[in-house]
Amino acid sequence: ETGVTQTPRHLVMGMTNKKSLKCEQHLGHNAMYWYKQSAKKPLELMFVYSLEERVENNSVPSRFSPECPNSSHLFLHLHTLQPEDSALYLCASSQGLFQEQYFGPGTRLTVT
Amino acid sequence: QQQVKQSPQSLIVQKGGISIINCAYENTAFDYFPWYQQFPGKGPALLIAIRPDVSEKKEGRFTISFNKSAKQFSLHIMDSQPGDSATYFCAASPGTGNQFYFGTGTSLTVIP
Repeated sequence: ETGVTQTPRHLVMGMTNKKSLKCEQHLGHNAMYWYKQSAKKPLELMFVYSLEERVENNSVPSRFSPECPNSSHLFLHLHTLQPEDSALYLCASSQGLFQEQYFGPGTRLTVT
Repeated sequence: QQQVKQSPQSLIVQKGGISIINCAYENTAFDYFPWYQQFPGKGPALLIAIRPDVSEKKEGRFTISFNKSAKQFSLHIMDSQPGDSATYFCAASPGTGNQFYFGTGTSLTVIP
């Protein structure tokens, strides 16, 4: 595996489900990010981890919970989501905080 | 408030033509302006970037033009090819170690 990988690529979940998105970076980077991408909207930064410490949480609802167990892995735990949370969730990594970011392919999430 | 405004939302260009995408910003603290290219099913990838100490940067068929006084920057794709069909995002950052602010994206279609 190379670059930034994300699993699953597609996820359909009900509003009462609990699921997790996984991101893994194979680039040796020390910062990782979660973004939300919705149609016709700017990429929305959700969470930032630098050296495994959370450094930014942009007023994201508590139904989204990030976890960074080590510098290569990032999770986004989801529970009791709303239909408006349906979007493409992108993970990215960089060497240094907010340096050039390398994005994964995203997880297409649909909340029914 | 949207930090970076991007236009047009979609663009159709004939093969061999010039594609032009524009972005505008208000925050004079921005000093790094990257453009990202995103193909369907992929994450955004850095295409080209510019800092405000130069008015133009060219890499192959891709050129960024930067107008500091007007607070505008644009991406020009010369000799557009069908393989350039993708969504393009502009972004801006107030400098090293600071968050990127993205435009809403432009869907480019190059027809043969």
